[in-house]
Amino acid sequence: TQLLEQSPQFLSIQEGENLTVYCNSSSVFSSLQWYRQEPGEGPVLLVTVVTGGEVKKLKRLTFQFGDARKDSSLHITAAQPGDTGLYLCAGGDYGGSQGNLIFGKGTKLSVKP
Amino acid sequence: GAGVSQSPSNKVTEKGKDVELRCDPISGHTALYWYRQSLGQGLEFLIYFQGNSAPDKSGLPSDRFSAERTGGSVSTLTIQRTQQEDSAVYLCASSKMWADTQYFGPGTRLTVL
Repeated sequence: TQLLEQSPQFLSIQEGENLTVYCNSSSVFSSLQWYRQEPGEGPVLLVTVVTGGEVKKLKRLTFQFGDARKDSSLHITAAQPGDTGLYLCAGGDYGGSQGNLIFGKGTKLSVKP
Repeated sequence: GAGVSQSPSNKVTEKGKDVELRCDPISGHTALYWYRQSLGQGLEFLIYFQGNSAPDKSGLPSDRFSAERTGGSVSTLTIQRTQQEDSAVYLCASSKMWADTQYFGPGTRLTVL
């Protein structure tokens, strides 16, 4: 069974601080996606990484896919209160019979003004 | 265009009753996915449809759960004889084709008393 472990589970920081969220697995994934979810809403896709070692930047967010495609990280620079939410990583398991995404349990981020 | 919509947004039911949850995917999306999100847990994959067909139903938690999709569009997830452990947010997503980017609806929060 493929599993994705996210850490930390909770993170509370002050506005302007930097943070990194980690997503680790013992399995290789064909792709890895990061989502952000706000209360009462469904997850919204932030980025998809598919190549080992790939780095993608989205404004203050930097996403990295590990060389072996087993892990990923999300780094936020100068966090703002609007970054508050649940961040989920999901590994693409499209080689399997279910054609689904394997989700981590998420990192709940709170950025205080 | 319109995103994925789900109804009802909230459902409170008594233990033992049946419930039906509805998902309207983005127009033209051929793939549709159902997930369950419990408090403190990540998204648990339940079932997906390619067109009206569900290739693998093994992700459904028990035989009390069933899902169907008609006309390649609307899908319903039915839970019979609900139990308290069925309480969760049920999320639906759709994608243009299988394995493409999934777009999520806002979810249905189910509470079983």
